[in-house]
Amino acid sequence: QSALTQPASVSGSPGQSITISCTGTNSDIGAYVSWYQQHPGKAPKLIIYEVSNRPSGVSNRFSGSKSGNTASLTISGLQAEDEADYYCSSYRFTYVFGTGTKVTVL
Amino acid sequence: EVQLLVSGGGLVQPGESLRLSCAASDFTFSTYAMSWLRQAPGKGLEWVSTIGGSIAGTYYADSVRGRFTISRDNSKNTVYLQMNSLRAEDTAVYYCARRSGAGRYFDYWGQGTLVSVPS
Repeated sequence: QSALTQPASVSGSPGQSITISCTGTNSDIGAYVSWYQQHPGKAPKLIIYEVSNRPSGVSNRFSGSKSGNTASLTISGLQAEDEADYYCSSYRFTYVFGTGTKVTVL
Repeated sequence: EVQLLVSGGGLVQPGESLRLSCAASDFTFSTYAMSWLRQAPGKGLEWVSTIGGSIAGTYYADSVRGRFTISRDNSKNTVYLQMNSLRAEDTAVYYCARRSGAGRYFDYWGQGTLVSVPS
């Protein structure tokens, strides 16, 4: 399976909302979409699972959705600490990750 | 708090072998599937392998099948990744992660260990 396609970078000012897309082919994007946040030099952290669910302790500023073969992660009320790399992932017989998006807070 | 402590990385020559370990704590280890994932320098995440919990089926990415072997010792709360016939393209930070109980996502990750294989 090919990697899922994400924009290389997205930026926004503090307080703004940004959306990161994650596009697959055929039926790549199903019910098992998850999103991970990774700060430089750190391990990834789960922030969204099964398209739109947030693990306990993850800010409600993070939300996920899906339409057709594209999943999206929205970060509302952007904060400096949100500056990181973000990866989507999907499972269909195997795990496939997105190409990654660098979020910059201006 | 779930903890995953990864060890065993290092610099090895092409064709050599290395074994990674991931020691888990603060959850019922035997009931969870465990996985290894990796990230080449400056690149994205790649799933490598998963081993089931009590029924320890094993699964591999095409890129490592036949060279890597995942195993677990539930008495030691530890999962291993035996890597043989290492290649330059195996150079990456290797992460251990817990797969969620019934889902298809990784809810806790270890800190990662760097495996370097020069070309």
